Amino acid sequence: QQQVKQSPQSLIVQKGGISIINCAYENTAFDYFPWYQQFPGKGPALLIAIRPDVSEKKEGRFTISFNKSAKQFSLHIMDSQPGDSATYFCAARSRGGTYKYIFGTGTRLKVLA
Amino acid sequence: EADIYQTPRYLVIGTGKKITLECSQTMGHDKMYWYQQDPGMELHLIHYSYGVNSTEKGDLSSESTVSRIRTEHFPLTLESARPSHTSQYLCASSDSTAVNYEQYFGPGTRLTVT
Repeated sequence: QQQVKQSPQSLIVQKGGISIINCAYENTAFDYFPWYQQFPGKGPALLIAIRPDVSEKKEGRFTISFNKSAKQFSLHIMDSQPGDSATYFCAARSRGGTYKYIFGTGTRLKVLA
Repeated sequence: EADIYQTPRYLVIGTGKKITLECSQTMGHDKMYWYQQDPGMELHLIHYSYGVNSTEKGDLSSESTVSRIRTEHFPLTLESARPSHTSQYLCASSDSTAVNYEQYFGPGTRLTVT
C-alpha cells in the first residue's frame, strides 16, 4: 500500500527553469518530511526536510512547500542546473518512535544545458 | 558527511549461492535499515534494527535475514540466491537522539543473480 504518492515520474527542465515535484500522503501519523537526491551509482542523500508545523522551508535554490490540510508537499528547485539532474525522492517518517520512513516512487529529473 | 559503508558495491553470483552483504557505520547510530531499490527507483524497507540484538522485518517481504551483534555492523544474508533477488540493496542508519533522526544512506550494493 503506497502511502506517499509522488509525481511526476520524470521531468525535463531547461537550464535556469523551475523544477517542481509533488508528493501527497494519506497517513496523518507522519511527523517529518525529507527530500532525498540520488545520483546514479550512489545512495540517496538528504537534500532538505520539513516538519508539519512549518509551511515552507528554503535552503539555497531548494524550497519545500507544505500544505498540512491538503496532505501535500512539494519540492521546488529554482534556477535548475544540469548538475541537478538526478532522481529525487520524497519521504515521510512515522511518528511514535518506530522511525520508519515511507518513500515516494521517485522523480527522474533531467536539466537540459 | 555520513560515514556508512557497503561492500561489495557490485556482485554477480549464480543461483543457489549464499551471499552476505556488508554494511557498517562509524557514527554510533543506534538504528539501521536495509532497503531494496527496484530498477524503476522505488525504495522498499526490508529490515530494520533499533539496536544491538534487535531486528524487525520491514514492509516488503524478503527472503533475506539480518543480524545486529554490534552497533556499527548490520549484515544482510541470502541463504540461496535467486534471479528474483537481483536488485540494488541500500543500507541506512539514523540516530534516535538527534533532533530530526535523519537517515543516512550507504552507496548501495548492486546484486545480480544469474
